[in-house]
Amino acid sequence: AQSVTQLDSHVSVSEGTPVLLRCNYSSSYSPSLFWYVQHPNKGLQLLLKYTSAATLVKGINGFEAEFKKSETSFHLTKPSAHMSDAAEYFCVADNYGQNFVFGPGTRLSVLP
Amino acid sequence: GAGVSQSPRYKVAKRGQDVALRCDPISGHVSLFWYQQALGQGPEFLTYFQNEAQLDKSGLPSDRFFAERPEGSVSTLKIQRTQQEDSAVYLCASSLTGTGYGYTFGSGTRLTVV
Repeated sequence: AQSVTQLDSHVSVSEGTPVLLRCNYSSSYSPSLFWYVQHPNKGLQLLLKYTSAATLVKGINGFEAEFKKSETSFHLTKPSAHMSDAAEYFCVADNYGQNFVFGPGTRLSVLP
Repeated sequence: GAGVSQSPRYKVAKRGQDVALRCDPISGHVSLFWYQQALGQGPEFLTYFQNEAQLDKSGLPSDRFFAERPEGSVSTLKIQRTQQEDSAVYLCASSLTGTGYGYTFGSGTRLTVV
């Protein structure tokens, strides 16, 4: 079965500085990959998705992610953090078309 | 509707009580999924429907949990004889078909068993 690792449980950045949230997947094939964001007491919102087209994927709110098959990674980046980006971020992999497997999540804090 | 609607938003149940959680998916979405999110963790898969057929229930943690989608639209997740370990947020998601293009999630039902 598919598994997803998010290397950092908590990332803290200053407003206006770059964001990097790391994600690795484990699979013998290249799954569809997603990043979801969850604000406190809110539902999960899709940020972006990779479905075997371009390896650099642009999402909403200035986020992007790059699929690197050789590293089995799908790290999420943003050039400049905003206070409103503070939330929990989940890296998600398609599990052989059956369901989704979520990573444990990374909590992003943005300091003024 | 415009999004996935879940009710109730919050539910407090006494241990041993039965509960029913409702999910109203986006109109026309064939696939419907239930996930359980414990505090501080990522969501974990419970079960999957394609129309009215329950194709995968491998994630249901015990025989106290069952789900149905009798007419291929609204789904109900039922938990019998609730236990404290059932306390979690229960998320419903729907998609036009399968998993390839991502789901739309509802806001979830927060179940607290006391």
